[in-house]
Amino acid sequence: EAEVAQSPRYKITEKSQAVAFWCDPISGHATLYWYRQILGQGPELLVQFQDESVVDDSQLPKDRFSAERLKGVDSTLKIQPAELGDSAMYLCASSLAGGPADTQYFGPGTRLTVL
Amino acid sequence: GQNIDQPTEMTATEGAIVQINCTYQTSGFNGLFWYQQHAGEAPTFLSYNVLDGLEEKGRFSSFLSRSKGYSYLLLKELQMKDSASYLCAVRDGDYKLSFGAGTTVTVRA
Repeated sequence: EAEVAQSPRYKITEKSQAVAFWCDPISGHATLYWYRQILGQGPELLVQFQDESVVDDSQLPKDRFSAERLKGVDSTLKIQPAELGDSAMYLCASSLAGGPADTQYFGPGTRLTVL
Repeated sequence: GQNIDQPTEMTATEGAIVQINCTYQTSGFNGLFWYQQHAGEAPTFLSYNVLDGLEEKGRFSSFLSRSKGYSYLLLKELQMKDSASYLCAVRDGDYKLSFGAGTTVTVRA
């Protein structure tokens, strides 16, 4: 069964350092999402891509976060500099076309701890 | 923003039935999803409702009433492995998916 791949699974960093997360969506899925999930809360959308284009980045803290999906396949989310409040699970999801009945499938996530 | 409410925690006995309620207020509506999330793992898709009524899938069923802004997820014949967080998520008029905080279900022997 096809799955969304993410790496690393765990990341510990000190504040002010740069971190990067990678995601490889299910093959053929045009839409890719990055979510942040704080412990005890539901996932919150950070950025959505349709192929290589950003569709929604309204909740992305653009002063420190950036995301790219250069060839419309895998994607990287970067934080620079990391802050204590960035400690969370970062989830990547993908869907076939982002349409009305489209289901999002999630990867295993990257657990970030900022010290 | 969107408003999605679900209980924080529920406890039930193995073999029993548990119903997790979700109420929502969104700008437009294009479907409601339920996801299961075990601790430290990714959410996995359980069900999707866009029309009123009950959708049954094995031991899990999901119900939707659009006029009431209400859904529930029904878990039957509970098993220990069903202990997890259950997330209600609503797709709004812009097709953006917003999640509730999740309901942690604990199944006791």
